[in-house]
Amino acid sequence: QVQLVQSGAELKNPGASVKVSCKSSGYTFTNYFVHWVRQAPGQGLQWMGTINPDGGATSYARELQGRVNMTRDTSTNTVYMELRSLRSDDTSVYFCARGNQPSWYSYFQWWGQGTLVTVSS
Amino acid sequence: DIQMTQSPSSLSVSVGDRVTITCQASQDIRNYLNWYQQKPGKAPKLLIYDVSNLETRVSSRFSGSGSGTYFTFTISSLQPEDIATYYCQQYNYLPYTFGQGTKVEIK
Repeated sequence: QVQLVQSGAELKNPGASVKVSCKSSGYTFTNYFVHWVRQAPGQGLQWMGTINPDGGATSYARELQGRVNMTRDTSTNTVYMELRSLRSDDTSVYFCARGNQPSWYSYFQWWGQGTLVTVSS
Repeated sequence: DIQMTQSPSSLSVSVGDRVTITCQASQDIRNYLNWYQQKPGKAPKLLIYDVSNLETRVSSRFSGSGSGTYFTFTISSLQPEDIATYYCQQYNYLPYTFGQGTKVEIK
């Protein structure tokens, strides 16, 4: 069955970078876009960006442009989300989610378990 | 960006009650509206896509309706396992945007 397994929790200092992985299984990796969504403690859901694993094209939320980079490794069926210049307000749970079709416009059908990133000195 | 205004932000209901949540988009999003359920410490779960389509293996007590800018989500008879926060989300335009969430609690 479809599974997205994310890397473990991270504790980072302000100004550092974090790279979260999302390993896919149970389907053809390049056939579905992968999205990243984050959730600050006690807050709602915020879309961060999307990557097309077939070719690697990306689209990012405007407020994260310049700080976020999404990549993929087709040999391991893994998508990565790197966030740089971390601030305390980046403390969140980060989720990857698979879309329902090979399109930018897809709903989030399958989700990873989430990765807590804490930014604190 | 499309603003999604969801209401109420919370509600307290009894088991067996009917629950209705509304979601209003700041402009026409056609039928590109989804509903997710999130339980504490868990990832969101897709319940309904494209306004009214029930995701596979989701209980039929969940339903959705609407079009354009106004949408509703209904739980026909609340069960204890439905205690969660519910989010609407539009995907007609990038950036995708979510409502602020509705926390459903047992009275």
